[in-house]
Amino acid sequence: DTEVTQTPKHLVMGMTNKKSLKCEQHMGHRAMYWYKQKAKKPPELMFVYSYEKLSINESVPSRFSPECPNSSLLNLHLHALQPEDSALYLCASSRGNRDTEAFFGQGTRLTVV
Amino acid sequence: GEDVEQSLFLSVREGDSSVINCTYTDSSSTYLYWYKQEPGAGLQLLTYIFSNMDMKQDQRLTVLLNKKDKHLSLRIADTQTGDSAIYFCAESNFGNEKLTFGTGTRLTIIP
Repeated sequence: DTEVTQTPKHLVMGMTNKKSLKCEQHMGHRAMYWYKQKAKKPPELMFVYSYEKLSINESVPSRFSPECPNSSLLNLHLHALQPEDSALYLCASSRGNRDTEAFFGQGTRLTVV
Repeated sequence: GEDVEQSLFLSVREGDSSVINCTYTDSSSTYLYWYKQEPGAGLQLLTYIFSNMDMKQDQRLTVLLNKKDKHLSLRIADTQTGDSAIYFCAESNFGNEKLTFGTGTRLTIIP
């Protein structure tokens, strides 16, 4: 199993809603990542979790709140988002945060209305 | 900060070789990667090269690294329609801890 599974695939939410994105892997990887990708742009790193602890926060606004309940799961809680937050949100995992191979999920396409 | 640049578009006839180029600015880059992204999908790691290498070959893929010029290229031999995608180069100092991606090159295959 070399899959990183993200749910939902698509999400439309209003600016006052609270929603969560989920990511799951069963490869025994100990590093997990959230990336944001705007249309026609490269992915940009948001957060890195290493051994279930937040190791990197790339100055992401607090309306995005990551959570790593266990080594297989990574959530991204969303609250009071803006339309400019609409993007493809990609989760990835690797054996360790300095491992050379990261596996990416298919992403959640988020639209904020 | 780090900067990674690619040309935006490349069109190649089916069966020909594709060469996708990338330049980067961070001289301390340790790992350089090539990722493939198909429409509506996540990223697939194609190959990577450590900075003390100048070439790596993996089946139809050949990566060339000119560390002096900070230039990376990906050659795809015998390009097929399934190779149509956006190709991102990326660099990092410490493996995957902080990947910086290039702007992406959209490869179109002409039948």
